[in-house]
Amino acid sequence: AQSVAQPEDQVNVAEGNPLTVKCTYSVSGNPYLFWYVQYPNRGLQFLLKYITGDNLVKGSYGFEAEFNKSQTSFHLKKPSALVSDSALYFCAVRDVSGAGSYQLTFGKGTKLSVIP
Amino acid sequence: DAGVTQSPTHLIKTRGQQVTLRCSPKSGHDTVSWYQQALGQGPQFIFQYYEEEERQRGNFPDRFSGHQFPNYSSELNVNALLLGDSALYLCASSLGQAGSTQYFGPGTRLTVL
Repeated sequence: AQSVAQPEDQVNVAEGNPLTVKCTYSVSGNPYLFWYVQYPNRGLQFLLKYITGDNLVKGSYGFEAEFNKSQTSFHLKKPSALVSDSALYFCAVRDVSGAGSYQLTFGKGTKLSVIP
Repeated sequence: DAGVTQSPTHLIKTRGQQVTLRCSPKSGHDTVSWYQQALGQGPQFIFQYYEEEERQRGNFPDRFSGHQFPNYSSELNVNALLLGDSALYLCASSLGQAGSTQYFGPGTRLTVL
């Protein structure tokens, strides 16, 4: 079975400071990893993904994430936070070599608040 | 380029009723997945449709069923509604079953009274 943990329900950061939103995962096979963002009363918006290759993945709006296989982590980062980054962030995993290989399994989400 | 669209936006039903939600995939996509997002939780996978067949199913009862049409659009049906079915229902589309990225629609907010 695949699972995702987002250990922080909420992250607060000052505008202009770097931000990190943490994610760890568990799969029996090879993972595809994703970050999505959700604004109030909206669907999920794709930010970035790791499939294979370079462990540092760059995505939309200046976000990036680093895949760490030994720590089974995929933390989301941004060098300088904007107030408009305030939203709910979800990490998701697909176990592409497992029985549930087409489904995404999501974490519970982390609410990011960027303080002006 | 049209993204994923869902209808209706909001829906209010009473316990025991049946509901149908609709989804049109992003242009060029042929696979549709449905997710349920309860308040304060991450989305949970219901099922995926490809080539008009249910290909994979999550841990949801048979009250949840679906359909995919030849134009790749999809419906989610829920019978015998329970209070616990109140949630945001999200549709996601991708290119092929193994399409690496699923793109989500805005969702349908279902309230069961």
